[in-house]
Amino acid sequence: ETGVTQSPTHLIKTRGQQVTLRCSSQSGHNTVSWYQQALGQGPQFIFQYYREEENGRGNFPPRFSGLQFPNYSSELNVNALELDDSALYLCASSPAPPGGSTDTQYFGPGTRLTVL
Amino acid sequence: GQNIDQPTEMTATEGAIVQINCTYQTSGFNGLFWYQQHAGEAPTFLSYNVLDGLEEKGRFSSFLSRSKGYSYLLLKELQMKDSASYLCAVRDASGGSYIPTFGRGTSLIVHP
Repeated sequence: ETGVTQSPTHLIKTRGQQVTLRCSSQSGHNTVSWYQQALGQGPQFIFQYYREEENGRGNFPPRFSGLQFPNYSSELNVNALELDDSALYLCASSPAPPGGSTDTQYFGPGTRLTVL
Repeated sequence: GQNIDQPTEMTATEGAIVQINCTYQTSGFNGLFWYQQHAGEAPTFLSYNVLDGLEEKGRFSSFLSRSKGYSYLLLKELQMKDSASYLCAVRDASGGSYIPTFGRGTSLIVHP
């Protein structure tokens, strides 16, 4: 148990639709990162938020956007879904600021998104 | 960008020792992480190296050589429950923010 929860667990959408995935971190975890993990691959960094501001972004198009809220929850929004967006979406939180001495990340269980 | 290489799959015997290698190329190295991921589960943190040398934590140790762009994870006294994917991740700070890049993972199979 990492204390990080994600909802929903599974989701099925069709191409062109929009989706919002949610993550709830532990109290005091001001840094949250989102990852996309395709089957058989390592997680790919989407973006990171620190104290409600985007703090770094990976190689993902603008239709991937996010929000972080003061209550340690966050959202990943994906617009205009494509078939290749089918993956496991992981959020990870950390009590350390970005680039901190350990920056240990605690991952949530993930949301499995299927785009048909 | 970054490039991280690790073997796709390894097998080992229960009770043995296994070393999983990771090589990387990055312009703004800011730390290397190892994670364990069981099938269908989220990754869990194993180790962090930012300076050269060996970090030991129980049965697991991780080594880093920044000049060689090389790390390894050493697992001793292997147990069946160690069968999992092991992910090497490098954090880069060259762009002013901290961007982690994960390798594809090494699937370790421990057999009796």
